[in-house]
Amino acid sequence: GNSVTQMEGPVTLSEEAFLTINCTYTATGYPSLFWYVQYPGEGLQLLLKATKADDKGSNKGFEATYRKETTSFHLEKGSVQVSDSAVYFCALSRAGGFKTIFGAGTRLFVKA
Amino acid sequence: DTGVSQDPRHKITKRGQNVTFRCDPISEHNRLYWYRQTLGQGPEFLTYFQNEAQLEKSRLLSDRFSAERPKGSFSTLEIQRTEQGDSAMYLCASSSLTAESFEKLFFGSGTQLSVL
Repeated sequence: GNSVTQMEGPVTLSEEAFLTINCTYTATGYPSLFWYVQYPGEGLQLLLKATKADDKGSNKGFEATYRKETTSFHLEKGSVQVSDSAVYFCALSRAGGFKTIFGAGTRLFVKA
Repeated sequence: DTGVSQDPRHKITKRGQNVTFRCDPISEHNRLYWYRQTLGQGPEFLTYFQNEAQLEKSRLLSDRFSAERPKGSFSTLEIQRTEQGDSAMYLCASSSLTAESFEKLFFGSGTQLSVL
């Protein structure tokens, strides 16, 4: 079946460090891929998405590229800020968006 | 756009009692989803409505769980004869069918259920 695997956390970085959170997926067909973020005390919100192979999603300095050959969608940011401290969820959706499947989440702590 | 709202925010109940949660989606959204999230895990899909029709249910949704969406507006999730294993955060999300928002889920803040 369809599934998402992401790197375990927590990830602890200093401000301005480079961030990578790995995500790989298993899916039939051509799913859409997403990163959602959950800031402390808030609900999940969409950070970025990509709908086909080689698409790059980007938002708020974060980027992720849909790599079909490696079934990956790694999240990157060149310079993290304390305000980026949150839990990040990689997710996939089958064609039509009927059901979104989430990874276990990766908690990020950014120190000043 | 007031966002997705869920009520109550917290519910503490005794094992064996019934509980009901409510979700009010964003008003123009056709699709409504229920997810369950436990500590340290991602949201797990429970069920999904398009307008008033319940189109898919997860195997996680035992027959003690029932969800409704009368008239395609708000939705309720009822758990009968609660068990301690039902303790979790219950999340509601909605989405629209417009091209710009397609597949984008808008989540509520959730209802935290504790079964004693």
